[in-house]
Amino acid sequence: GAVVSQHPSRVICKSGTSVKIECRSLDFQATTMFWYRQFPKQSLMLMATSNEGSKATYEQGVEKDKFLINHASLTLSTLTVTSAHPEDSSFYICSARGLLPGQETQYFGPGTRLLVL
Amino acid sequence: RKEVEQDPGPFNVPEGATVAFNCTYSNSASQSFFWYRQDCRKEPKLLMSVYSSGNEDGRFTAQLNRASQYISLLIRDSKLSDSATYLCVVPSGSARQLTFGSGTQLTVLP
Repeated sequence: GAVVSQHPSRVICKSGTSVKIECRSLDFQATTMFWYRQFPKQSLMLMATSNEGSKATYEQGVEKDKFLINHASLTLSTLTVTSAHPEDSSFYICSARGLLPGQETQYFGPGTRLLVL
Repeated sequence: RKEVEQDPGPFNVPEGATVAFNCTYSNSASQSFFWYRQDCRKEPKLLMSVYSSGNEDGRFTAQLNRASQYISLLIRDSKLSDSATYLCVVPSGSARQLTFGSGTQLTVLP
């Protein structure tokens, strides 16, 4: 199956710093990537939809100036958590959907655990 | 009504048991549905896709009832390795974003 990677897998940072998370589709081109957040014992919540070459579409309640998304190529999307605070500590997961017929399934990255101290 | 609602669980069943989870969805126009499993501290992995009335894959059977807007997942002959959280997922929106249910936790006991 398709492979999606995320980097870093885990990050610990001080409050006020910015953290960048990369999401890459390794063996297919992804026109659309999605960013999710999952707090402990809760389900995944969609944060934003990222289309290559255009601005991301953010879900209600997600601050676009705090969570900067860049989808510069068909294989890479980045999420930058700016001025992170302890309440931003969460499990961030990306998914990617392919370009070709038969690639409509979303494939998830392994996730990034962010801990803000 | 939530877009996707699931049995809250948790379900604790002995090995070999049959267990079923239900999921209801609010958007009657939805055409496809998915069951994902998520292990602790891992990403979700696709278990089954449901496009018509149902789908069967080994010990796993998914059924769709469009009139009542619910999807079920049946696991037969439960294994210890089936212990996980099962997520009911419905695509929606112009970009076919996935809406996740809150998940049902299953623990299979020896």
